[in-house]
Amino acid sequence: AQRVTQPEKLLSVFKGAPVELKCNYSYSGSPELFWYVQYSRQRLQLLLRHISRESIKGFTADLNKGETSFHLKKPFAQEEDSAMYYCALKPGTASKLTFGTGTRLQVTL
Amino acid sequence: GAGVSQSPSNKVTEKGKDVELRCDPISGHTALYWYRQSLGQGLEFLIYFQGNSAPDKSGLPSDRFSAERTGGSVSTLTIQRTQQEDSAVYLCASSLDSGNLNEQFFGPGTRLTVL
Repeated sequence: AQRVTQPEKLLSVFKGAPVELKCNYSYSGSPELFWYVQYSRQRLQLLLRHISRESIKGFTADLNKGETSFHLKKPFAQEEDSAMYYCALKPGTASKLTFGTGTRLQVTL
Repeated sequence: GAGVSQSPSNKVTEKGKDVELRCDPISGHTALYWYRQSLGQGLEFLIYFQGNSAPDKSGLPSDRFSAERTGGSVSTLTIQRTQQEDSAVYLCASSLDSGNLNEQFFGPGTRLTVL
């Protein structure tokens, strides 16, 4: 069975500091990996997915199959980045998403 | 256009009562998913519909939980004889279909509290 691990419940950084939200997964096949974000009082929304290899709101994430990781990074944190971030995995043929427990990012001045 | 909607937004019930949670997916989306978020837990998959059929019910925690979807649109999640451990936020999502490239769009959730 697949599993997603986000080791940090809370990550607090200063504005302008680099951010790295960690995500590790276990799955024997080729998964699709996602990062979802939930801002205060808003619904869960897709931030980015590994197959797109894009940067959204300054965030990037690289799939490292050797380390089975999909860490989310941003070079300079902004206040508006404060939110709950969830890493998710979609197995090759299944439709459901398996989520991690989430990391709350708090960006302070 | 309108996103995924869920009703009610909050539901407080007594232990042992039955509850029904409703999800209206985005128009034209054939795939519909139910997830549950308990305190301190990540989102936990419950059930997935493609059209009106449910190819994957593997996440339903017990036979007290059931879901149906009619007309390829609205879905209802029913919890019978609710228990305190059923207290959680129940999220619904829909996607254009179940293919890998289709983004799941989430509703605002229903917060269920079982007293």
